Amino acid sequence: GENVEQHPSTLSVQEGDSAVIKCTYSDSASNYFPWYKQELGKRPQLIIDIRSNVGEKKDQRIAVTLNKTAKHFSLHITETQPEDSAVYFCAASIQGSYIPTFGRGTSLIVHP
Amino acid sequence: GAGVSQSPSNKVTEKGKDVELRCDPISGHTALYWYRQRLGQGLEFLIYFQGNSAPDKSGLPSDRFSAERTGESVSTLTIQRTQQEDSAVYLCASSSLAGGPYNEQFFGPGTRLTVL
Repeated sequence: GENVEQHPSTLSVQEGDSAVIKCTYSDSASNYFPWYKQELGKRPQLIIDIRSNVGEKKDQRIAVTLNKTAKHFSLHITETQPEDSAVYFCAASIQGSYIPTFGRGTSLIVHP
Repeated sequence: GAGVSQSPSNKVTEKGKDVELRCDPISGHTALYWYRQRLGQGLEFLIYFQGNSAPDKSGLPSDRFSAERTGESVSTLTIQRTQQEDSAVYLCASSSLAGGPYNEQFFGPGTRLTVL
C-alpha cells in the first residue's frame, strides 16, 4: 500500500514569512494529492489539491508543487497570517482508489 | 446546506464497555469514510462505504471494530469491549464521488472517545 511521510511535524514562523510543508509518497501509481487544514478543535477541510498531470497549482497565498519523479509534493504558504495557524495534512491516493493515505500532519504556528 | 454531523460529540466509557458512534453524511453523498485520530497523530483510515457495494474494511484495527451503513444514509461505528488504546477522536467524512476519486471529503466534527 501507499506510505506518506510528512515533514516537519512542527513549523513555527513569523507573520509575513513563507511556510513550506513537504510530503513524500511511496507508490508511483498515486495520482491525486489533496491538502487538508485542521484548525484547533475543528474538522479538517480541503484547502487545495493537485492531480499528477500538473506540476503546480496556486490559489491566492497557497500553492502546491508536485515532483512525480522524486515522488514528493509540497505545500507553500506565502505572507503567512495568524489565522493560518493549524495542522496541515497531506494525502495521496493511488489511481483507481477512493481511499487516500494521510500524512501525520504538520502543526503550523504563525506568530504575530 | 447541512454538513456532516456526528454524535455524540464526546463519549466517556469504562474499559470493557461497548460504544456506538453515529455519522450523518451530507445528503446525496454516496461515499462515507471513518477515520481515527489519536492525539497529535494523523488520520488513520478505518472503513469506507460506497453506495451498496461491500465496504472496504481493510483499516479496522481488530474484530472489536465494526461499522454499518444503511444505503446512502446514516452510518454507525461500533467498538466492542473498549480498551484504553481506543481513546481517540473518531472522524467521519462523506464525498459525492461525482467526479470519480478526485473528490473533496467533507468531515464531521468528530466524536471524542475516552476509555477510562
